[in-house]
Amino acid sequence: GENVEQHPSTLSVQEGDSAVIKCTYSDSASNYFPWYKQELGKRPQLIIDIRSNVGEKKDQRIAVTLNKTAKHFSLHITETQPEDSAVYFCAASNPSGGTSYGKLTFGQGTILTVHP
Amino acid sequence: EAQVTQNPRYLITVTGKKLTVTCSQNMNHEYMSWYRQDPGLGLRQIYYSMNVEVTDKGDVPEGYKVSRKEKRNFPLILESPSPNQTSLYFCASSFIWAGELFFGEGSRLTVL
Repeated sequence: GENVEQHPSTLSVQEGDSAVIKCTYSDSASNYFPWYKQELGKRPQLIIDIRSNVGEKKDQRIAVTLNKTAKHFSLHITETQPEDSAVYFCAASNPSGGTSYGKLTFGQGTILTVHP
Repeated sequence: EAQVTQNPRYLITVTGKKLTVTCSQNMNHEYMSWYRQDPGLGLRQIYYSMNVEVTDKGDVPEGYKVSRKEKRNFPLILESPSPNQTSLYFCASSFIWAGELFFGEGSRLTVL
């Protein structure tokens, strides 16, 4: 089955700096890659996702890049703000079928702290 | 208001005492899933359901059961809970498979 590795496990930045979180996946058939943000004590919420027919997707200060050859994808947050502090999870799945149909595998999470 | 509702939110129980965590969504979503969250392990999928009467195992199904008799409800059943099932549990749903997941508020379970 799919295995997703996420790094780093913790990331500390100063307000205004950029933050990058990287995930690698094992199943070359995976082609849907969402990112979820979980604030302390809250539920995870989708912040951005990408499908394998594109290499990059942006939404204001966040962007996701995908390298299917290397089987990794990354979350980029620019001009970080204290409210960006949270746990971020990447995930991977193969929506097309096979034994992984219906499964969404998450990474271990990254605790991002943005210092004012 | 569109939401995923889980109950109970907090529960302390003892080994072997059957319990059910309910999950209900009011968005007419086809796909529903259960996850457990443990420190350092992220979110791990327990079971999922593509639609009514269609359920399948995720990555960590041992010790759990589910059912999907109605589209809106997807209860998680622990027939004989053990301490290693102490965790934070999330139910989630999406309109279609591989769409945005909407999570419930979570249920923190402690098994003594």
